[in-house]
Parts: sequence; structure tokens; C-alpha cells
Amino acid sequence: NAGVTQTPKFRVLKTGQSMTLLCAQDMNHEYMYWYRQDPGMGLRLIHYSVGEGTTAKGEVPDGYNVSRLKKQNFLLGLESAAPSQTSVYFCASKSRLAETYEQYFGPGTRLTVT
Amino acid sequence: LAKTTQPISMDSYEGQEVNITCSHNNIATNDYITWYQQFPSQGPRFIIQGYKTKVTNEVASLFIPADRKSSTLSLPRVSLSDTAVYYCLVGAPIYSSASKIIFGSGTRLSIRP
Repeated sequence: NAGVTQTPKFRVLKTGQSMTLLCAQDMNHEYMYWYRQDPGMGLRLIHYSVGEGTTAKGEVPDGYNVSRLKKQNFLLGLESAAPSQTSVYFCASKSRLAETYEQYFGPGTRLTVT
Repeated sequence: LAKTTQPISMDSYEGQEVNITCSHNNIATNDYITWYQQFPSQGPRFIIQGYKTKVTNEVASLFIPADRKSSTLSLPRVSLSDTAVYYCLVGAPIYSSASKIIFGSGTRLSIRP
């Protein structure tokens, strides 16, 4: 099993450009998450999904959109990138039936907006 | 979700036992306490979870007093490789609220030779 994978690993955007980050998991997990982590800070939840076709806002959703068309994929979109969105983005997944809070994280995407 | 408070940073030396305490005064009856570890440039990794008393695995121990308003993550005989950020989370894993998992700022642990 590959676990949770993220594409791309690195990206540099200019202000106003758009892009989509892809997260894929092969563990058949119902829940998926997008977090951002700024230097020296903790993780902040952007959006999450409890199942195919459903998404919900987290702590910092502004400037981002998400889609969960397939159970195994969770996409994070930036329609008009801003320097404030420079960050490392982590995707995670969790089984709905798990009796622990164990989330499985991807390796992260380092995004720089100039 | 119960709010948690933990120290911003801690320092220790190789071979020492490190205890990181987390306060969660408004923990609910169904809530569990969960700890994650994050190494630089990596996503967080689940370490341990407990409900009451003591839980131990190959990585750490988790001590939870009877009132459950705090908990202590104990790392025995730390090494340089234990340098990481440690996050304390409180919530009920198998209820609907488990879908929204919030990480705080964590405790930055630095281990010195």
C-alpha cells in the first residue's frame, strides 16, 4: 500500500495564478483532510470530507476550494494564489470506524507564492 | 472539541526521561486523549491514545489522572531522534465529531547530546 500520496511535492506560483493539489489514499478511508502548516506553527485545518461528494470547512477555508468526487481522492484548489498562502500543505485520511484518532498523513506539498 | 494547553517548548538531554503535560479542563465523558509526533519536513505521526489511567506502547507512555483534566506523555530515555513537535488532541474518535480533527500549536521538544 502506498498510503497517502500528494502531488506535486513542490510548486512555485505567481500571485493570481491558480493550481490544484491532489491527494490520493489507498486505504479505503472515509475521512480526508487538508491542513496547512506555516513555518514554526502548528497545523491548521483548511477543509475536510466525511465521504465521497461531501466537504466541509475547517478553521481557515478562505481562498481555497475542495472536491471529493472519488472516495480515494481529495483535491485542494487555489483559484487566485496570494503570498499569504505560501505554506506546506498536508493531506491526511482516517477510517470512520477507527477507535483511535489515528490519521495517516501524506509527505506534504511545499507551495511558494511570489 | 475540548481545548488543550501544552508548553510551547521543552529542552532535554539524551538518556533522560521527558514528560510533556497537556491540560484539557473541559474534557467530555466520551473524549479520548491522543498524542502525535511531527519530525521536520514530515506529516504528523500518531503515537498513543488513552482514556484513563496508563497506556504504554513501544514508543511512549500516557498517564491520565482520575479527573482526566490533564495528561502526561512520557518518553523514556530520549535520543536526538526524538527531537520533534508533539501535539495533544482531545476528542471522541468514534462519534461524528471525530470527522473534524484540530491540532493545536504543539510542544517543540529539543534533545541535546
